[in-house]
Amino acid sequence: GAVVSQHPSWVICKSGTSVKIECRSLDFQATTMFWYRQFPKQSLMLMATSNEGSKATYEQGVEKDKFLINHASLTLSTLTVTSAHPEDSSFYICSASLGGNTGELFFGEGSRLTVL
Amino acid sequence: AQSVTQPDIHITVSEGASLELRCNYSYGATPYLFWYVQSPGQGLQLLLKYFSGDTLVQGIKGFEAEFKRSQSSFNLRKPSVHWSDAAEYFCAVGARGSYIPTFGRGTSLIVHP
Repeated sequence: GAVVSQHPSWVICKSGTSVKIECRSLDFQATTMFWYRQFPKQSLMLMATSNEGSKATYEQGVEKDKFLINHASLTLSTLTVTSAHPEDSSFYICSASLGGNTGELFFGEGSRLTVL
Repeated sequence: AQSVTQPDIHITVSEGASLELRCNYSYGATPYLFWYVQSPGQGLQLLLKYFSGDTLVQGIKGFEAEFKRSQSSFNLRKPSVHWSDAAEYFCAVGARGSYIPTFGRGTSLIVHP
C-alpha cells in the first residue's frame, strides 16, 4: 500500500515552454502532497506543500508563478513549470503523507526535467 | 526547528563487509526518525522508521538502525552489504505534529566487488 506514482519520469522541452508533472496516490487519498527538487548529489529541497482544494504553500525563495501547483483531487497533484529555462532543469520528486502528522512520506519515482 | 547531520558524503565498502551510516539529529524532544534509500534516477524508498518503543529498529533489505537518545543519533547498519545496496541514503527527522520531515544531505554508498 501507499504507492505514489509520478508522470512523466523524464521530459525534455525547449526553453520558454511549460511542462506539467503529475503526482498520483494510487491506493490512498492524500490530502497533502509535497513537491521537492533535487540537484545532482544533493539532498531534497522542499518547494511547496500541496493541499487538496486550496492553494499550495510555497517555501521561501520558490517562485509561485514559475512553479504552479494544483491539487484538484485527493489523488492527484500537478506541478507545472511555466516558461521553463535551462536553470529549471532538475529532478522533481513528489511525496504524500498518509496523515497522522508523523512525517512519514511516500515518494513518487521522480521526474527528470531537461530544458534545452 | 529540527536538523539532521549526515557527516559522511561517501562511504565505500567491499561486498560482504558490514556497513554503518551515521546520522545525528537536533530536536528538543523525541523525534520521529527515518532512513530512506534512493537508487539513481529514482524516488526515495523508506527503509525503516522509529516512532517510539524499542530503540533497535528492523527495516527492509536487512537494514537496522538504533536510536540513541544520549548521542542524538540514529545510525543505519547492515551486517553484510550486497552490490545492489549501492545507492544514496538519506536520514530524516520529523517533529511530532508535523507532516514535513527534515532531510540530511545524504550519504552515497559505493560497493566494491
